[in-house]
Amino acid sequence: KAGVTQTPRYLIKTRGQQVTLSCSPISGHRSVSWYQQTPGQGLQFLFEYFSETQRNKGNFPGRFSGRQFSNSRSEMNVSTLELGDSALYLCASSSSGNTEAFFGQGTRLTVV
Amino acid sequence: AQSVAQPEDQVNVAEGNPLTVKCTYSVSGNPYLFWYVQYPNRGLQFLLKYITGDNLVKGSYGFEAEFNKSQTSFHLKKPSALVSDSALYFCAVRGYGSGNTGKLIFGQGTTLQVKP
Repeated sequence: KAGVTQTPRYLIKTRGQQVTLSCSPISGHRSVSWYQQTPGQGLQFLFEYFSETQRNKGNFPGRFSGRQFSNSRSEMNVSTLELGDSALYLCASSSSGNTEAFFGQGTRLTVV
Repeated sequence: AQSVAQPEDQVNVAEGNPLTVKCTYSVSGNPYLFWYVQYPNRGLQFLLKYITGDNLVKGSYGFEAEFNKSQTSFHLKKPSALVSDSALYFCAVRGYGSGNTGKLIFGQGTTLQVKP
């Protein structure tokens, strides 16, 4: 079984731009969660999608948004990028959201 | 509020010695507990979980963890450390209930350094 796939792996953007990150979950998994990892704040939960609906949301500004498609693939979007958005963005999938989550390799976003 | 604490930023052990990485948690209701490992420039790899049942949980790569409800702890252990175990380890908790689905609360991480 293929694991969680995140694209792209690396991204460099300029302040003020917007960015879209993609995540393909493990086949059969319907829950997709997103996390931000930074040296200062550690791993923080962004949001979770299940069957195309956002079920849970972390404490991030509205510039951070996401969606899930009917095939369970998910995208997250960050608008009006700030330097502080530089981070490793991790996507995780699980069968229901209540079981263990499996993580992708992450997308390293650098905002300059 | 849910929280996880990993009191040690770094743990150093000699290869072949037993290792323990500590984790305590705070959550209302029954916790779902997890350990993950992260190698440089990689995502998180799932090691093991506690949902219910036996307090000693066995996981991948010879790791195990002991759930202690009275001490609200979930320490990660391995009887004999390998140099290849050197990595960043995260403890995570998810609370029970629909409001917590998909949401893992992570500790700050503990760097494990195993020396030959």
